[in-house]
Amino acid sequence: GENVEQHPSTLSVQEGDSAVIKCTYSDSASNYFPWYKQELGKGPQLIIDIRSNVGEKKDQRIAVTLNKTAKHFSLHITETQPEDSAVYFCAASIREYGNKLVFGAGTILRVKS
Amino acid sequence: GAVVSQHPSWVICKSGTSVKIECRSLDFQATTMFWYRQFPKQSLMLMATSNEGSKATYEQGVEKDKFLINHASLTLSTLTVTSAHPEDSSFYICSAPKAGDDEQYFGPGTRLTVT
Repeated sequence: GENVEQHPSTLSVQEGDSAVIKCTYSDSASNYFPWYKQELGKGPQLIIDIRSNVGEKKDQRIAVTLNKTAKHFSLHITETQPEDSAVYFCAASIREYGNKLVFGAGTILRVKS
Repeated sequence: GAVVSQHPSWVICKSGTSVKIECRSLDFQATTMFWYRQFPKQSLMLMATSNEGSKATYEQGVEKDKFLINHASLTLSTLTVTSAHPEDSSFYICSAPKAGDDEQYFGPGTRLTVT
């Protein structure tokens, strides 16, 4: 089955710097790649997603890139702010297999002010 | 966007009792809902897929007789943890996609503590 690996497990950056989180997936049939932000005691919140027919997507300070050949995708956060501090999860799913999400292990992002 | 709610937000129960968690899609219909379990400082693990009008499908290693799932309507799925034990203490989260959409909408989660 699908396996998603996520790195790093923790990331500390200075306010204003950029943060990059990387994920790799194993099943080349995966075609949907969302990124979630989870704050303590809350459900995950979608921050950006990308589909397999697109290589890059940007939404203000957040961007995601997808390399299907290498089977990896990355989250880029620019001009980080203290409120960006949270746990971030990548995930992958296959539309034809019922959209079951397989999550990465998560990255704790700390933005120091 | 679409909203998914869960009830209760937290529950404490005694070992050996059963507890029911509800997941509702408030402004859309969901023929499928997903149930996840998340232990502290870990990722979300899919437990089962809830299907309206048919039996739920469980992931490998998840006991279907212990985690009873009922998709009673197009807006409601319930997860019942039967004969709960302390090791069932966890954060339970549901999600639902809109028909034909890849995006899943997550509930706020239910914190279960079994004493």
